[in-house]
This record gives sequence, structure tokens and C-alpha cells, in this order.
Amino acid sequence: SQQGEEDPQALSIQEGENATMNCSYKTSINNLQWYRQNSGRGLVHLILIRSNEREKHSGRLRVTLDTSKKSSSLLITASRAADTASYFCATLSRGNTPLVFGKGTRLSVIA
Amino acid sequence: GAGVSQSPSNKVTEKGKDVELRCDPISGHTALYWYRQSLGQGLEFLIYFQGNSAPDKSGLPSDRFSAERTGGSVSTLTIQRTQQEDSAVYLCASSLDNESPLHFGNGTRLTVT
Repeated sequence: SQQGEEDPQALSIQEGENATMNCSYKTSINNLQWYRQNSGRGLVHLILIRSNEREKHSGRLRVTLDTSKKSSSLLITASRAADTASYFCATLSRGNTPLVFGKGTRLSVIA
Repeated sequence: GAGVSQSPSNKVTEKGKDVELRCDPISGHTALYWYRQSLGQGLEFLIYFQGNSAPDKSGLPSDRFSAERTGGSVSTLTIQRTQQEDSAVYLCASSLDNESPLHFGNGTRLTVT
């Protein structure tokens, strides 16, 4: 089953613009993570935000978490063509449970 | 050290045959995961190993699927009597513990003809 649902499913922007992707989930979480995937192979971890955190930054990435709304957003600022990829949120529930991924957002950055 | 290694990278098999997919996790990582991804879709959880605990097999789609992790390291995912709907990319990941980020291999693309 999938816990996180990303929105939008696909996003196309011009280089230099900001890209915002959203993730909603259903149950209480320990942490929420964002991953990037190029060309349908291995995923690369971008950022992890814990349930007691509200915002984290990493370079051009900004992640927010609102546990009252059970939602998170990933903001990529000043996008580049190389940011073109699929982006997935994943949630870790409490206890010894596996990480559950959403269906992803396909981002296209046009030069 | 090296990242997560999966083999083979591609596998074409005939319907009804058995296949074995291998995953070498990062040394020292206690958690190991198998996911499946169909074309253009999200990741479907299959099975999760954490230390010496019993594996979480809740995501395995049928009893044709099984996995083991020997000596807390290498893992093998076995699919018996493959069907065309088994065609997908099978991704393995490992993490330091069950709360840490996952490190993924490049996956095995399985095609059942």
C-alpha cells in the first residue's frame, strides 16, 4: 500500500523558475524523506525531515512538514535542466516498519 | 566503500521459469529492502529485513515470491514460475538502521516473455 501521495503527478517549468511538489500522507510518521530518480533506476536520497521538525534546507532544496495537515512540500529554487527527474516522498511510520513511497512527481525543467 | 550492488542489471526470462535476483548491501547496514517498480509507476514495497528480526514479508504479491538474507548481508529475491506481470525493475536498498535514509542499487530490469 502507498502512504504518501505526491501532487502534481507531473510538472513542467522553465529553467530558473521554482518548482514546488507536495506530499500528503495518512498515518502518524517518525520521519518523511524525499528522493530523486533519474531514468527509472536507483533512487537518490535528498533530504529527511523528522516529525518534530517543520522546515529543513539543503542547498537549493527546502522541505516543510505540517504534521497537523499530514503534508509536506519540496521546493527547488532556481531550477536547472539537470533537475529534470522524478521526485518521491516516502514516510516512515513508528515502530519497525518499512519506508513507504508515493507515486512520485515527474519534473521537467526546460532550458 | 562501494554502494549497493545488484545483479544482474537486466534479465530476460521465459514465462514459467524461475529467476534469482541478487543484492549486495553496503557493509554494516542492518536494514535491507526490496521494492518493485513498473514502468512510470511508484515503488511497491516487497520485503524488509532489519537485523535479526523476522523479515516483514507483507508486500510480497504471491507465494511465488520469496527472499532471504544470508549472514545479515547479501540478499536474494527469488521469483518462481515467472509471469508476464512480474516484468518490472526490482530495486534493492539498504540503510544503517530502520530510521536512516536508504541507499539504492541501480536495480534489475526483469522482462518475462
